[in-house]
Amino acid sequence: SQQGEEDPQALSIQEGENATMNCSYKTSINNLQWYRQNSGRGLVHLILIRSNEREKHSGRLRVTLDTSKKSSSLLITASRAADTASYFCATDAGGGSTLGRLYFGRGTQLTVWP
Amino acid sequence: KAGVTQTPRYLIKTRGQQVTLSCSPISGHRSVSWYQQTPGQGLQFLFEYFSETQRNKGNFPGRFSGRQFSNSRSEMNVSTLELGDSALYLCASSQRPSDRYHYNEQFFGPGTRLTVL
Repeated sequence: SQQGEEDPQALSIQEGENATMNCSYKTSINNLQWYRQNSGRGLVHLILIRSNEREKHSGRLRVTLDTSKKSSSLLITASRAADTASYFCATDAGGGSTLGRLYFGRGTQLTVWP
Repeated sequence: KAGVTQTPRYLIKTRGQQVTLSCSPISGHRSVSWYQQTPGQGLQFLFEYFSETQRNKGNFPGRFSGRQFSNSRSEMNVSTLELGDSALYLCASSQRPSDRYHYNEQFFGPGTRLTVL
């Protein structure tokens, strides 16, 4: 399976602290994405990093990608209570007929306490 | 632009029944994908449609089917419902399918929560 795996499964921090979530995957990819999901609702796209990129920033988000270790990390700086959600990494297939199909990890549940 | 809409938002059915879920993509988007989310299996790909053709299919039994209409709206159908079909069904749309050189972002709808009793 190409499914990613997030670590930790759950993370609880105070407002203002940084939150780091990790994702590992199994096969080659074209890109890796991070999504947020609030309480069983739809997924919100946060950031995409391509396989030839090593780091990407978007506002308070910083994503790194290490293709040699098949891993990625998502850092949320200066967390807010509104960041409380589940965070998923998703990879696409390296090629072939399944291109564009997303493989999701199980997610990290982040709780930010006021 | 309006986002991806899914109807109904909540649905309760009993075992053995069938159900049809609907997804309206973002205007101008021609590719629609469906995902099933359960606590046990997480998010799993069901199928992808583009220009009324199924382009890709996940590892689900034949009870799960779908189609896409000429206006890009998509429906998925589950026949002979089982308890294990209880899930959040998410639809995602993109302008067109991705290829090796161009990734087209997928935008997700709010989902349909299906409960099978």
